[in-house]
Amino acid sequence: GEQVEQRPPHLSVREGDSAVITCTYTDPNSYYFFWYKQEPGASLQLLMKVFSSTEINEGQGFTVLLNKKDKRLSLNLTAAHPGDSAAYFCAVSPNRIFFGDGTQLVVKP
Amino acid sequence: EAAVTQSPRNKVAVTGGKVTLSCNQTNNHNNMYWYRQDTGHGLRLIHYSYGAGSTEKGDIPDGYKASRPSQENFSLILELATPSQTSVYFCASGDAGFSNERLFFGHGTKLSVL
Repeated sequence: GEQVEQRPPHLSVREGDSAVITCTYTDPNSYYFFWYKQEPGASLQLLMKVFSSTEINEGQGFTVLLNKKDKRLSLNLTAAHPGDSAAYFCAVSPNRIFFGDGTQLVVKP
Repeated sequence: EAAVTQSPRNKVAVTGGKVTLSCNQTNNHNNMYWYRQDTGHGLRLIHYSYGAGSTEKGDIPDGYKASRPSQENFSLILELATPSQTSVYFCASGDAGFSNERLFFGHGTKLSVL
């Protein structure tokens, strides 16, 4: 089945810096992609859902890039702030949803 | 906003004991899921369901059973709990097709098996 590798597992940045989290996947038939955010002690919340037809997706304070040729999905938090500190999970779906292992992001003031 | 409620929030069990984790959703979603979350493994799918009366095996079903008696309720059952099942368990419901749906998660159940 689909294999999703997420890097890095831990990321620490200063407030105002950018933070980039990347996932690579194996199944070329993957069509739907997701990013979830899990704040400390809380459940996962959907950050963005991406369709394979869209390479660049803008959110509030972040950008999701999809490179289907390289089978790579990335989340770029621009100008990170302490409230962005959380665990982030990518998810990839060829026929059902497969999660990456997560990235623990710490944004220091 | 979709609501998925898990109970209990925390559970301590003894090895060999029976544990039941409960999940209730008020969204009228057909699909429901049980995941476990362990450090270094992310979320792994244990069982899922397409609707009342259905249960399907996920990626790591060994040692777990599931029950979906109604649209709203989905339970995860550990008949003979083992320390390796110590983990955080998340229930989720889905709002569309199986492959492209947004998942709504509960707050998790922290299970410790001693």
